[in-house]
Amino acid sequence: DTAVSQTPKYLVTQMGNDKSIKCEQNLGHDTMYWYKQDSKKFLKIMFSYNNKELIINETVPNRFSPKSPDKAHLNLHINSLELGDSAVYFCASSQDPQVQYEQYFGPGTRLTVT
Amino acid sequence: GENVEQHPSTLSVQEGDSAVIKCTYSDSASNYFPWYKQELGKGPQLIIDIRSNVGEKKDQRIAVTLNKTAKHFSLHITETQPEDSAVYFCAASIWEYGNKLVFGAGTILRVKS
Repeated sequence: DTAVSQTPKYLVTQMGNDKSIKCEQNLGHDTMYWYKQDSKKFLKIMFSYNNKELIINETVPNRFSPKSPDKAHLNLHINSLELGDSAVYFCASSQDPQVQYEQYFGPGTRLTVT
Repeated sequence: GENVEQHPSTLSVQEGDSAVIKCTYSDSASNYFPWYKQELGKGPQLIIDIRSNVGEKKDQRIAVTLNKTAKHFSLHITETQPEDSAVYFCAASIWEYGNKLVFGAGTILRVKS
């Protein structure tokens, strides 16, 4: 059983397009995250939601908009895609961060913008 | 904000030898320090973590040490095996800030058989 799943695994699109990445966790966790991993493997947090409420919002262009329909899902919508958005995007989840710290990552979505 | 530095960037060891990866952090308020292993094409996998009230933690061949005074922590892998080859990331966080993990740049570990 997959704990944190993401779709699609690969996404190739052209500049200017709008795309979405979906994430689901079946761990019963309260908090979900989006991370970006660049071509040099550097991992950086983008957003975090706790029980559908945004709690971390790093300096990310407002073309990126996370949406959490319920606490098991956190989707990432990207408008007007740019070449620099090419990266691997990881979703992660954890229990209430005041109770348990461990974050569990999904398999990633490799986004290529041409 | 928090800054995490990780060394070395690449590490090659012979199978059976030990490997040590070191990280330093800047924010003395950080209180949670996980280590992740990332294999090619996969997401990071938590392998061990340590909280600020503990100086050392072991799990079979893996151990982590924390020196809060010096603000550094290290990952120790003993009796390395080829399947230990991967990219290893350290991270630090302050749980009061929504458990925001700040990652090091990663270490590519190659275990030669």
